[in-house]
Amino acid sequence: RKEVEQDPGPFNVPEGATVAFNCTYSNSASQSFFWYRQDCRKEPKLLMSVYSSGNEDGRFTAQLNRASQYISLLIRDSKLSDSATYLCVVNGATQWNNNDMRFGAGTRLTVKP
Amino acid sequence: NAGVTQTPKFRVLKTGQSMTLLCAQDMNHEYMYWYRQDPGMGLRLIHYSVGEGTTAKGEVPDGYNVSRLKKQNFLLGLESAAPSQTSVYFCASSYFDSYNEQFFGPGTRLTVL
Repeated sequence: RKEVEQDPGPFNVPEGATVAFNCTYSNSASQSFFWYRQDCRKEPKLLMSVYSSGNEDGRFTAQLNRASQYISLLIRDSKLSDSATYLCVVNGATQWNNNDMRFGAGTRLTVKP
Repeated sequence: NAGVTQTPKFRVLKTGQSMTLLCAQDMNHEYMYWYRQDPGMGLRLIHYSVGEGTTAKGEVPDGYNVSRLKKQNFLLGLESAAPSQTSVYFCASSYFDSYNEQFFGPGTRLTVL
């Protein structure tokens, strides 16, 4: 089992749609969680951190379920500019090392006119 | 601020050749990281540094060496390149540990023939 698993997609959605991504992680001791965005042939950039109580940033909502060890990202009112690969990132603790970030392979999203 | 820069952007090596990738950051970050990204896989941590003069192994350190002689620079060396090291290499830095946002460089595309 991979340490961080994501549905690779691709997700193809029309503008204005709502789309949700899930990510599961294996290390129950993990302490920090993030969603990064990576455009084609570019470097990853932080989209948002994921907090235990869930958090929202504009059209983006992140949720954490520690009991089931999954993280979700919801994008509302999709824009063409949201087309990218979304990376789920989990930090290791104890099992890996708390400086050892583990990345999912990413979920690709294409938003179409 | 330039952020995180990487040199070179592209390189083609023959099997057995050596090279050094340079990462520089101007954000006064303590932590620096080297990752590789391969198709269908998430970023994997090669080595990291928690401060000037320190280095530590990540998930996939074999075949690579690193040095952090100056706080702003983190060098990744390949002593004897192999085709399996064909990848995109990303450097990143963060202010403190993995609970903080990582800032990535633009990447180096390395092909080993």
